[in-house]
Amino acid sequence: KAGVTQTPRYLIKTRGQQVTLSCSPISGHRSVSWYQQTPGQGLQFLFEYFSETQRNKGNFPGRFSGRQFSNSRSEMNVSTLELGDSALYLCASSLKSSGANVLTFGAGSRLTVL
Amino acid sequence: GDSVTQMEGPVTLSEEAFLTINCTYTATGYPSLFWYVQYPGEGLQLLLKATKADDKGSNKGFEATYRKETTSFHLEKGSVQVSDSAVYFCALRSGGGADGLTFGKGTHLIIQP
Repeated sequence: KAGVTQTPRYLIKTRGQQVTLSCSPISGHRSVSWYQQTPGQGLQFLFEYFSETQRNKGNFPGRFSGRQFSNSRSEMNVSTLELGDSALYLCASSLKSSGANVLTFGAGSRLTVL
Repeated sequence: GDSVTQMEGPVTLSEEAFLTINCTYTATGYPSLFWYVQYPGEGLQLLLKATKADDKGSNKGFEATYRKETTSFHLEKGSVQVSDSAVYFCALRSGGGADGLTFGKGTHLIIQP
């Protein structure tokens, strides 16, 4: 059974550019959520999608956005990149969107902003 | 809001030593509690979970018990191995789940042979 697949694994951008990250969830999982991991702030919740609808969003500026497609694949976009956006972006999927459901994480996309 | 507090480390132990990583939380209602592990260069892997008070989660020799009275979910292992070296994250998710997982800062564990 394939796990959560994130692409690209590594990318380098410059300030002011935008980036799109992709996440393919485990087959049958309908919920996809995104997290940002940095040395200073740790792991922070970005947003969650379930059946193509955003359920909630963490405390991030509007430059961070996402969407989910009918096949449950998800993308997140960061516009007007800042140095502080350098981070490991983790995607996680689960069968449903509720507290007890286990999230399975991908290996992450490491973004470096120069 | 919800929060998780855990020792950050690094925690250095010798092989076969007993391990405890403390985790306490603040949350409204009755959250589900998790321990995740992250090996270098990888994403997070679920280690164990507990969904209600007095539940004990266990996996690969690790255990943690959901203590509602002390709002704690301490991770323990009786005899650690070098392969257990990793970063361990305590996390919670409130009942509705809409706000995603709230993580602690992570504890870097180093096991020396």
